[in-house]
Amino acid sequence: EAGVAQSPRYKIIEKRQSVAFWCNPISGHATLYWYQQILGQGPKLLIQFQNNGVVDDSQLPKDRFSAERLKGVDSTLKIQPAKLEDSAVYLCASSLEFGRGEQYFGPGTRLTVT
Amino acid sequence: AQSVTQLDSHVSVSEGTPVLLRCNYSSSYSPSLFWYVQHPNKGLQLLLKYTSAATLVKGINGFEAEFKKSETSFHLTKPSAHMSDAAEYFCVVSTDTNAGKSTFGDGTTLTVKP
Repeated sequence: EAGVAQSPRYKIIEKRQSVAFWCNPISGHATLYWYQQILGQGPKLLIQFQNNGVVDDSQLPKDRFSAERLKGVDSTLKIQPAKLEDSAVYLCASSLEFGRGEQYFGPGTRLTVT
Repeated sequence: AQSVTQLDSHVSVSEGTPVLLRCNYSSSYSPSLFWYVQHPNKGLQLLLKYTSAATLVKGINGFEAEFKKSETSFHLTKPSAHMSDAAEYFCVVSTDTNAGKSTFGDGTTLTVKP
């Protein structure tokens, strides 16, 4: 089966610019996650979707970050405007089961904000 | 609330010697516990998971972990380290309550010396 796809793999932008990341989960996986992984730290959950509804976005900086999952399949994560501290790897994951299921991760997008 | 503490940020072993990566968790609900591995420039991959069945869980590549409720621990072990085991390891706690949220530890970097 095809894995979780993410694009782009790398992105360099200047602060105050905007950027968008795309994720295509494994077919049939209802749950989709976006994580932020800062160098030297574990992934931090930004937002979790169940189909096209948001289950948890308590750690999403909503003044600058937004995410959507139209039609319950692909998802985009946007940052506008970017700050230096947003430099991180953004990981997308999907799972078949809600809560207790294994998560399948994409390769991530490495964002550098200069 | 839930949390994960990986007790060692770095572990160094010699090839052929045992590996022990320690993880303690806190959860208000009956948890599921996971270990993921992240090789440099690669995506996160599931090593093993505990979801309230057998307390001793076997995973891929010879790794295993034991769920100890009384100690709130889920330590990862391997009898004999291989050079290819050098990577970052993450312990994760999740439940199907609390919005099915997953919480990652900060990771343990495993170095394997020849």
